[in-house]
This record gives sequence, structure tokens and C-alpha cells, in this order.
Amino acid sequence: QITLKESGPTLVKPTQTLTLTCTFSGFSLSTSGVGVGWIRQPPGKALQWLALVYWDDDKRYSPSLKSSLTITKDTSKNQVVLTMTNMDPVDTATYYCAHHYSDAFDYWGQGTLVTVSS
Amino acid sequence: DTQMTQSPSSLSASVGDSVTITCRASQDIRRYLNWYQQKPGKAPNLLIYGASSLQSGVPSRFSGSGSGTDFTLTISSLQPDDFATYYCQQSYSISRTFGQGTKVDIK
Repeated sequence: QITLKESGPTLVKPTQTLTLTCTFSGFSLSTSGVGVGWIRQPPGKALQWLALVYWDDDKRYSPSLKSSLTITKDTSKNQVVLTMTNMDPVDTATYYCAHHYSDAFDYWGQGTLVTVSS
Repeated sequence: DTQMTQSPSSLSASVGDSVTITCRASQDIRRYLNWYQQKPGKAPNLLIYGASSLQSGVPSRFSGSGSGTDFTLTISSLQPDDFATYYCQQSYSISRTFGQGTKVDIK
């Protein structure tokens, strides 16, 4: 059974760096073809893909946010970490991590709401 | 960046209706198109991958079609559990972009 869970701060101040951790079970990020991605959703708005790391450590980023994002994996801990620098109130959103296989996000975490406010 | 445009943005339908949602890509994405359902306060759920393959456990009233730039999601007989927001997402280009969503509510 594949499960994922996001963790991190619920409130960050503008200009601060956000660090989110996705802890997963039921699969290994060393298995060929597997990836873990991050997707966010501002309140009442659409989903926005942020980043994706593959089993071979290939990393992909949203072009519009690439300069502020870093995604890393720790296979031994079954974790993927996303950092986003220079947070702004427009970055207030629910952040999801998801298992990626065969070009689709087939298992999702419950999401974590991050509010950016002073 | 490949842009995904869904239509309509919202629709009202009754239980038992057949519903079709359209997704258009800004460039040829072959069949690298997925559909998700999202209910309020919940994470999205994968319905269709590869344009037309039904994800395990998803009812057969959901179907997908299309290739290239034009795709459709059809719900053949709308059930009460189907009132939700639906998103398309392309996986052809490096950037995994989503459509803006289509909200299906009760007429």
C-alpha cells in the first residue's frame, strides 16, 4: 500500500525559505521509473505542478519557479524534500506530494496548507 | 511551456446525464494526457492515464479519448459521487502542466 504524507510549517513569513518534507511508504525511490513530485493549489484555484525527482536523481522544475525551487531525495529515509526560497503571500497554498509512475501522479498525499503572512 | 485549456470551466448536470469535458493542449502531446477528479478538501484522484486507460478501481462510466492536441473526458451516466472538479494534465513535456479545472455541479 502506497502512502505519502507532507510535513512542514503551516505559517511562513514573506522572504523566508519554505522547507517541506514528503515521507512515503509502500515503494522505493530507487525503483526504475518511479518519481515523486510536488504540486500546489492556492485556495479556490487550480493545481500547479512544481517539481519532480526520479529514481535516478533526474530532477525537473516548473520553468516559472525554477530559480526558487530545489528538490532532493533521501532514498534511505524514504523522503523527498522541497525547498522554496523568497516566499510571498501569493505562494499561500495547499502543497501536495505525489507518487509518479508511467507519466502520471497515481498516489497523492493529503496535502499541507502553507500560509505566507507577516 | 505547454499550456492546457479546459472547457467548460463549469457545468451543471443531473444524475444520469452524460457529461463531456474537453482539454486542449497548446502543442502536440501525443497521448500523454491524464485526468484527475478532486473533491473539496481532498487530494486529486487519478482517473485516466495515457489519454484513454482507466486507472485501477475507477468506474467504467469514466472514459477518455483523443490524441495530439484535443482530448475529452466523458462520464456516461453521472452519479451523485461524481460531482467534483476535474483536471487534465500533460506529461509529454518536461513541465507537467495542469488545466484550469472543470467544476461539475448539480443542476
